[in-house]
Amino acid sequence: NAGVTQTPKFQVLKTGQSMTLQCAQDMNHEYMSWYRQDPGMGLRLIHYSVGAGITDQGEVPNGYNVSRSTTEDFPLRLLSAAPSQTSVYFCASSYGQGSGYTFGSGTRLTVV
Amino acid sequence: AQSVTQLDSQVPVFEEAPVELRCNYSSSVSVYLFWYVQYPNQGLQLLLKYLSGSTLVKGINGFEAEFNKSQTSFHLRKPSVHISDTAEYFCAVTFSGGYQKVTFGTGTKLQVIP
Repeated sequence: NAGVTQTPKFQVLKTGQSMTLQCAQDMNHEYMSWYRQDPGMGLRLIHYSVGAGITDQGEVPNGYNVSRSTTEDFPLRLLSAAPSQTSVYFCASSYGQGSGYTFGSGTRLTVV
Repeated sequence: AQSVTQLDSQVPVFEEAPVELRCNYSSSVSVYLFWYVQYPNQGLQLLLKYLSGSTLVKGINGFEAEFNKSQTSFHLRKPSVHISDTAEYFCAVTFSGGYQKVTFGTGTKLQVIP
């Protein structure tokens, strides 16, 4: 089925560990973004990409890295996990500015 | 910079009653506006969007929204809600023209009471 696939769905990390959240889409969308969702704060943009090889920071980029080597994949890397990074992470993609996003089902991350 | 304000964090409403979820945005340039719905433990789904043209926009599941430029608002409405509409609703805004960051509101939880 076409869409945005995120893995894993759940993850528990210890403080200081690193990990990569995977995101893949099969709709040939140029635009991809990572958001984190925290209670009462809505969705906040971490990083986004407008095409392979092009990424930029959102409003909360500290502690996260991204790369976009292909149109399909947009992984999010946590460099050294901190409890403040406990959150639900969503990857989203779109083919145009006015098309709206297609979201993945999310990764629930807990850092202890 | 653009911003979005959703004035109500929670809205309880009885089944079959009408509902309005409020959204105000701030921007000095042309914008695109969106409403998304999030069911428990799921990702967000696009309900409807305003790009240009008619200010009344119809979406899925019987929802509609009206763009009001003078009030800088984009309120979401449904004339008769169902239990299945219980979810969290997010308003979002981005600048028109080229790729721009999409900014989301803090969400409104709609609770439909049987």
